[in-house]
Amino acid sequence: DAGVIQSPRHEVTEMGQEVTLRCKPISGHNSLFWYRQTMMRGLELLIYFNNNVPIDDSGMPEDRFSAKMPNASFSTLKIQPSEPRDSAVYFCASSPSGTDNEKLFFGSGTQLSVL
Amino acid sequence: GESVGLHLPTLSVQEGDNSIINCAYSNSASDYFIWYKQESGKGPQFIIDIRSNMDKRQGQRVTVLLNKTVKHLSLQIAATQPGDSAVYFCAENFGDMRFGAGTRLTVKP
Repeated sequence: DAGVIQSPRHEVTEMGQEVTLRCKPISGHNSLFWYRQTMMRGLELLIYFNNNVPIDDSGMPEDRFSAKMPNASFSTLKIQPSEPRDSAVYFCASSPSGTDNEKLFFGSGTQLSVL
Repeated sequence: GESVGLHLPTLSVQEGDNSIINCAYSNSASDYFIWYKQESGKGPQFIIDIRSNMDKRQGQRVTVLLNKTVKHLSLQIAATQPGDSAVYFCAENFGDMRFGAGTRLTVKP
């Protein structure tokens, strides 16, 4: 299995631009998670989906952030407009069934720099 | 100016020694705990997990201990190797997975 696949690995953009991060979960996994990692705040859960439905988006910092999961094999996290404080590493993770007590499988992350 | 951020606890050990990494979790209702390892430029990787009905679980070279009385978790790595150098996170699950700040382990050859 290829694991969770994220793209791009690195993204450099200017303030005000739209940024779209992409994730392909492990085939057969029913839950998908978006995390953000910064030195200031560590690993923060932004949103998670179960069977393509957003379950909890309380971690999404503000309306500039949106996430979609149009099908079981693809999800996007969009920031519009982007700001320098959005600079971070964004991780996508998936788990088999989304029930409690289940480990997450992480992708390699997208390093986002907003200038 | 100087930026303020998380100051990761650090642990430096000699190759071949045993390592113990500690973690305090926040919610007494948490019933599932995981240790993850994150190497530079990579996502967190699962090491070992433990459910709240256990107080110890062993894997290959790793042992996790859970003390629910004081809400404390520890990861023991036996015969630490240079490849163990990474940041180690504990995570607790009470509805969703919440991560601690992490501990940086450095293994000296």
